[in-house]
Amino acid sequence: DQQVKQNSPSLSVQEGRISILNCDYTNSMFDYFLWYKKYPAEGPTFLISISSIKDKNEDGRFTVFLNKSAKHLSLHIVPSQPGDSAVYFCAASADYGQNFVFGPGTRLSVLP
Amino acid sequence: DTEVTQTPKHLVMGMTNKKSLKCEQHMGHRAMYWYKQKAKKPPELMFVYSYEKLSINESVPSRFSPECPNSSLLNLHLHALQPEDSALYLCASSKGTGGDTEAFFGQGTRLTVV
Repeated sequence: DQQVKQNSPSLSVQEGRISILNCDYTNSMFDYFLWYKKYPAEGPTFLISISSIKDKNEDGRFTVFLNKSAKHLSLHIVPSQPGDSAVYFCAASADYGQNFVFGPGTRLSVLP
Repeated sequence: DTEVTQTPKHLVMGMTNKKSLKCEQHMGHRAMYWYKQKAKKPPELMFVYSYEKLSINESVPSRFSPECPNSSLLNLHLHALQPEDSALYLCASSKGTGGDTEAFFGQGTRLTVV
């Protein structure tokens, strides 16, 4: 049973528009969430994180929202750029970040 | 320095070979991880070391043998692998204990077993 779900395997967005990537989780013990970006043939790179004590964290064009009651988080990219095209993984941790569970990923394509 | 360095970047090995993957970080992180990633799949956790001690082994076959000789280094010794073990092997590290922490990933070693 997947504890971290990303139900959209792919997403296409026009350059300049908003990209919204969604992530749902089932384990109520998760208290720290991260988004990673992965380009082909590279390792995942950390993008942004959020702790369960917050409901929003912003870093430049990237904002992550957390809805604990719905066990849902989302990553907003505004404005989207072609260089944002990559696979985005949602990850969750329940043990002071010692063990991360990854979602299956969403492939984002930003069209010029 | 926020880098996790993995060597080699690419490795081709036969099923009877013995090889090792290496991972190094100098961020003072006390938790280090090995992940395996098959094509079009998310990384899957293999091992977690915390303070140089193996804390999690996700039922990984014994042909994979991790080693943490010190707080900066993590090795993965490979022996008698199968072609299905071909994958991208990722190392990561994090502060490890207390509070919020993110994991930093290396670029990975792309392993091909022939």
